[in-house]
Amino acid sequence: GQNIDQPTEMTATEGAIVQINCTYQTSGFNGLFWYQQHAGEAPTFLSYNVLDGLEEKGRFSSFLSRSKGYSYLLLKELQMKDSASYLCAVMDSNYQLIWGAGTKLIIKP
Amino acid sequence: TAGITQAPTSQILAAGRSMTLRCTQDMRHNAMYWYRQDLGLGLRLIHYSNTAGTTGKGEVPDGYSVSRANTDDFPLTLASAVPSQTSVYFCASSVTRNGAEETQYFGPGTRLLVL
Repeated sequence: GQNIDQPTEMTATEGAIVQINCTYQTSGFNGLFWYQQHAGEAPTFLSYNVLDGLEEKGRFSSFLSRSKGYSYLLLKELQMKDSASYLCAVMDSNYQLIWGAGTKLIIKP
Repeated sequence: TAGITQAPTSQILAAGRSMTLRCTQDMRHNAMYWYRQDLGLGLRLIHYSNTAGTTGKGEVPDGYSVSRANTDDFPLTLASAVPSQTSVYFCASSVTRNGAEETQYFGPGTRLLVL
């Protein structure tokens, strides 16, 4: 079956750096997405990786290793507004998104 | 720009009743999707539509039906609601479905409680 694994919850301190990991096993691979979801709101797109390596967007970076079925989202200079759930999703060979359950990130002052 | 709108925002529904969740997008996207989100689980695809006039079944289609009469609207109908359909329902859209790097954009969600 298809599976996406990510930690359920993480805690970090304002101003620090946090890395959220995602491992996957899917039928084919057409890219990996990261979304941010604040409590009670809709998921919003953060990043997309289809080739191995690091993609940087301001304070957020996303890394992919296709051979290891692994990705991480790196958040730098954490702010209180970064408290949210972070969803990892893989697009399979049928172009369907398979979603992880999400990682709830708690930022403490 | 409105993007994607959903209605109602929330609803309490008696078991056995029917209900239609509405979704409208103004981005002229070809593909649209309905997901449900439950605590501890990832988003699960209920139904999708590649383009107006076509629909397909996702991972959890039982108990739900959809239609796509035009590009903008993609309503989801529960014919006879059961308590296990209590969930948060998200509608999403993308330019196309059968292409990589097709970012999906989500509506604000409908919170449904079936009693």
